[in-house]
Amino acid sequence: EIVLTQSPATLSLSPGERATLSCRASQSLGSYVAWYQQKPGQAPRLLIYDVFNRATGIPARFSGSGSGTDFSLTISSLEPEDSAAYYCQQRNYWPVTFGQGTRLEIK
Amino acid sequence: EVELLESGGGLVQPGGSLRLSCAASGFTFSSYAMTWVRQAPGKGLEWVSAFSATDGSTQYADSVRGRFTLSRDFSKNTLYLEMNSLRAEDTAVYYCARAATAAAGTGAFDFWGQGTMVTVSS
Repeated sequence: EIVLTQSPATLSLSPGERATLSCRASQSLGSYVAWYQQKPGQAPRLLIYDVFNRATGIPARFSGSGSGTDFSLTISSLEPEDSAAYYCQQRNYWPVTFGQGTRLEIK
Repeated sequence: EVELLESGGGLVQPGGSLRLSCAASGFTFSSYAMTWVRQAPGKGLEWVSAFSATDGSTQYADSVRGRFTLSRDFSKNTLYLEMNSLRAEDTAVYYCARAATAAAGTGAFDFWGQGTMVTVSS
């Protein structure tokens, strides 16, 4: 099973700052890496698919990058509504796995 | 508009059974892979099972294989998850999600239902 390790576990930043969330895989992955945002009491929402493609309706401040074992989600200028948990996911190998999540707090 | 509506959750004793349903609308149900993802209270996301629209194949997480069965009724646009031999560790919110492609595993999960809670306790 592919293990995805996200860092940091929690992140506290101010509006307008830049956030970089990391996701490291236990072995090299292809392009089936996605990022999801989840707010309390809500279902997850797809942000980024296939490493760097923004899902429909996702603001341009969200971007994804990476290759091999290291992937990242960057939020260029934080808004208060970006406060949420963020999960990376790989679908290159069965079983599909998620990282344990990064909790982002906007001060 | 794509909509996924889960139902069937509830309280069940260890060893018991439940059947979850996911009613889909707003898209051609037979053209997309579908999946279940669960989230234990206060925990992260765990993929459970997936159904491929290309060949009807199913995939299961090791933690549920042999106990859970995924099926699909195309006439009702509904996905089912039959859960048997339930354990306390199966307690979670269960989300139904659509994959963006017909083949399970290749498409990211682009639409999600609001989830249904399953509690396994005596």
